[in-house]
Amino acid sequence: DTGVSQDPRHKITKRGQNVTFRCDPISEHNRLYWYRQTLGQGPEFLTYFQNEAQLEKSRLLSDRFSAERPKGSFSTLEIQRTEQGDSAMYLCASSFLPDGSLAKNIQYFGAGTRLSVL
Amino acid sequence: RKEVEQDPGPFNVPEGATVAFNCTYSNSASQSFFWYRQDCRKEPKLLMSVYSSGNEDGRFTAQLNRASQYISLLIRDSKLSDSATYLCVVSFLSGGYQKVTFGTGTKLQVIP
Repeated sequence: DTGVSQDPRHKITKRGQNVTFRCDPISEHNRLYWYRQTLGQGPEFLTYFQNEAQLEKSRLLSDRFSAERPKGSFSTLEIQRTEQGDSAMYLCASSFLPDGSLAKNIQYFGAGTRLSVL
Repeated sequence: RKEVEQDPGPFNVPEGATVAFNCTYSNSASQSFFWYRQDCRKEPKLLMSVYSSGNEDGRFTAQLNRASQYISLLIRDSKLSDSATYLCVVSFLSGGYQKVTFGTGTKLQVIP
């Protein structure tokens, strides 16, 4: 399977615990995005990487959230001291778009990690 | 005002019907537009890009109206398998890169 893969698919944790999710993008894609989606809502942007550089973070991304993409390939999203409000589907997407390109930025999504905070 | 707005539905239509969804966007500098489809508890998947001149892919037709800042999706001859949530996606250049915003989605249920 050469699509975007995310691990784990499901995570149940107790409030206050730390969790880490992994995303492996499509191999030649330079851009990687993290989104959060709750029931009845569209995906909400969290953060974005171009290669290994984190270029934007949403205001939704509190200090408890951190994301990395150390070698410009896979990425991790860590949530520290989880809260019940963090329960959601966390989606990763990747795309290929050269710098400054005005071409359409078509994103391909992974199946997501569903987080439940008890 | 939300950056991208959609009627959440649900739209309940019989098989064979024609159904249309609209999506409005607030940023007049928006450049790229897409429709994604999301099945229940699955990831979003690209349905089609939306071009200025409008475009068609089988039973699906997408239109863009820049003056009124909306895009539309028309589905003809609805099939049961079309039941899903349809997400409107808009992108624009911000700080040198393309920022992408999703709508909340419109739920379609095709009934036998």
